[in-house]
Amino acid sequence: GENVEQHPSTLSVQEGDSAVIKCTYSDSASNYFPWYKQELGKRPQLIIDIRSNVGEKKDQRIAVTLNKTAKHFSLHITETQPEDSAVYFCAASIDLAGGGNKLTFGTGTQLKVEL
Amino acid sequence: KAGVTQTPRYLIKTRGQQVTLSCSPISGHRSVSWYQQTPGQGLQFLFEYFSETQRNKGNFPGRFSGRQFSNSRSEMNVSTLELGDSALYLCASSRSVNYGYTFGSGTRLTVV
Repeated sequence: GENVEQHPSTLSVQEGDSAVIKCTYSDSASNYFPWYKQELGKRPQLIIDIRSNVGEKKDQRIAVTLNKTAKHFSLHITETQPEDSAVYFCAASIDLAGGGNKLTFGTGTQLKVEL
Repeated sequence: KAGVTQTPRYLIKTRGQQVTLSCSPISGHRSVSWYQQTPGQGLQFLFEYFSETQRNKGNFPGRFSGRQFSNSRSEMNVSTLELGDSALYLCASSRSVNYGYTFGSGTRLTVV
């Protein structure tokens, strides 16, 4: 089945710096790649997603890039702020034979933005 | 519009008991998926329902089951609870395949 690896597991940056989180996936049939932000004690929230027919997507300070050949995708956060501190999860989704799909998640990155 | 609603928020059960968790998706969302979140294993896929049919199932034992009703609300049942079932159970809904899954706040299950 699909396997998603995520690095680093923890990331500490200074406010205003950029943060990059990288994920690799194993199944070349994966076609949808969302990123979720989970603050302590709260639910995961979708912050950006990308489909396999697109190489890059940007939303204000957040961007995601996808390299299908290498089977990896990355989250880029620019001008980081303290409120960006959270656990970030990448995921890959594959269409399944019975219809529908399932998300396979990475193990998460604890991002800490220091003042 | 209302988000994904999960009840109850917290639950404490004894080993051997069974438990039923409920999820009400966003109005118009027909796909409901369930995930187990633990510190050690991260987010693990349990199953997905669409139009009252279980389309996909993760690698969990048969003690974990679920169903979906005609109004898209879904329930998850765990029988013969074990200590290792203690986790945050998250439900996510989507209006179609590969489109913006929205998570509920989860049910925190503690098995003692």
